[in-house]
Amino acid sequence: AQKITQTQPGMFVQEKEAVTLDCTYDTSDPSYGLFWYKQPSSGEMIFLIYQGSYDQQNATEGRYSLNFQKARKSANLVISASQLGDSAMYFCAMRELPDNAGNMLTFGGGTRLMVKP
Amino acid sequence: DTEVTQTPKHLVMGMTNKKSLKCEQHMGHRAMYWYKQKAKKPPELMFVYSYEKLSINESVPSRFSPECPNSSLLNLHLHALQPEDSALYLCASSQGNRGYTDTQYFGPGTRLTVL
Repeated sequence: AQKITQTQPGMFVQEKEAVTLDCTYDTSDPSYGLFWYKQPSSGEMIFLIYQGSYDQQNATEGRYSLNFQKARKSANLVISASQLGDSAMYFCAMRELPDNAGNMLTFGGGTRLMVKP
Repeated sequence: DTEVTQTPKHLVMGMTNKKSLKCEQHMGHRAMYWYKQKAKKPPELMFVYSYEKLSINESVPSRFSPECPNSSLLNLHLHALQPEDSALYLCASSQGNRGYTDTQYFGPGTRLTVL
């Protein structure tokens, strides 16, 4: 079963509008971290925002915020005031408490966001 | 600007060549990672080094050979690759603590084409 699901393969948003990218996850571990990364066409994976499972408040970083609904197991990324430079692939990822093997991230399939001028 | 650097940015090699990908981080991190990413897919973990020791090898073929000379450097040696190995190879680093807050920071990647 998929641990991280991003149901929107592609999305359009008008410049200056807000957009929400969906992410649902599946874990039985009470301790986990959720991450969002942006990958422009250049290839670099850029860390955007982090939410811990015990965090009481939704994470925010500039124009990025995370709508964390623990009971629903969702961690949607909200981008406010979209800019043309926001056009990229966005990945949601989860890290559960590590086993002896080390620090592993589980990625979703990604959502391609296209910002229209 | 990323503090994880990768060289080269692009690499074209034949199936009989030997080449190396290099990664360097300047954040004092103690864990480093190699990922392989095919087009329109998420990254797939290949190797993890933690405190300069190989801690994860995700059943990667032996034609890929990682090396961690010190805590700042990570190499991936390539030999006798196949065309299906063409992909974007991403390096990442993290503090290496065992908590779930450990954030990975990625380099710009090397686009590898095997002819």
